[in-house]
Amino acid sequence: QITLKESGPTLVKPTQTLTLTCTFSGFSLSTSGVGVGWIRQPPGKALEWLALIYWDEDKRYSPSLKSRLTITKDTSKNQVVLTMTNMDPVDTATYYCAHRRDIVGGGYFDHWGQGTLVTVSS
Amino acid sequence: QSVLTQPPSVSGAPGQRVTISCTGSSSNIGAGYDVHWYQQFPGTAPKLLIYGNSNRPSGVPDRFSGSKSGTSASLAITGLQAEDEADYYCQSYDSSLSAVVFGGGTKLTVL
Repeated sequence: QITLKESGPTLVKPTQTLTLTCTFSGFSLSTSGVGVGWIRQPPGKALEWLALIYWDEDKRYSPSLKSRLTITKDTSKNQVVLTMTNMDPVDTATYYCAHRRDIVGGGYFDHWGQGTLVTVSS
Repeated sequence: QSVLTQPPSVSGAPGQRVTISCTGSSSNIGAGYDVHWYQQFPGTAPKLLIYGNSNRPSGVPDRFSGSKSGTSASLAITGLQAEDEADYYCQSYDSSLSAVVFGGGTKLTVL
């Protein structure tokens, strides 16, 4: 049974760096083909993909946010960490991590964490 | 503005059939990348509904079906039920952006 859970601050100040941790179980990020992604959703708005990391350390980032994002993994702890620098009020959103399954035509997210709401405000 | 375009809202009466479109371009759906669909209820995480254009994960009723043609994809829901009232998102990959892309979401209202 695959589960994921996000953790991190609920409130950050503008210009600060956000660090979110995704702790998962039911799979290993050292297994070939496995990935974990981060997706966010501002209140009342659509989903937005942020970043992906794969079992082989391959990392992908949203082009519009690439300069601000870093994704890393700790296989021994079953964790994936996302950092986002220079936070702004427009970054207020629920942040989700999700298990990524890749197929020939492009992958999808088949298991999601519950999400964590991050508010950016002074 | 989302790379994949969905209608903001659709509605239907119980028992009816509704479809939700997802329109892309030659760099995503039209390039042959698969389309996946998610269902999201208020205050909860998205749930995978359809993967690989037309495949249902275990547990998803066969009232839900997906299709893809050209630069567009569709999600169809037959025998509409009150419990289907939710937001629906399509997702694919865009080779020009080198990015995972989502549609803007569609709110389904069961009348």
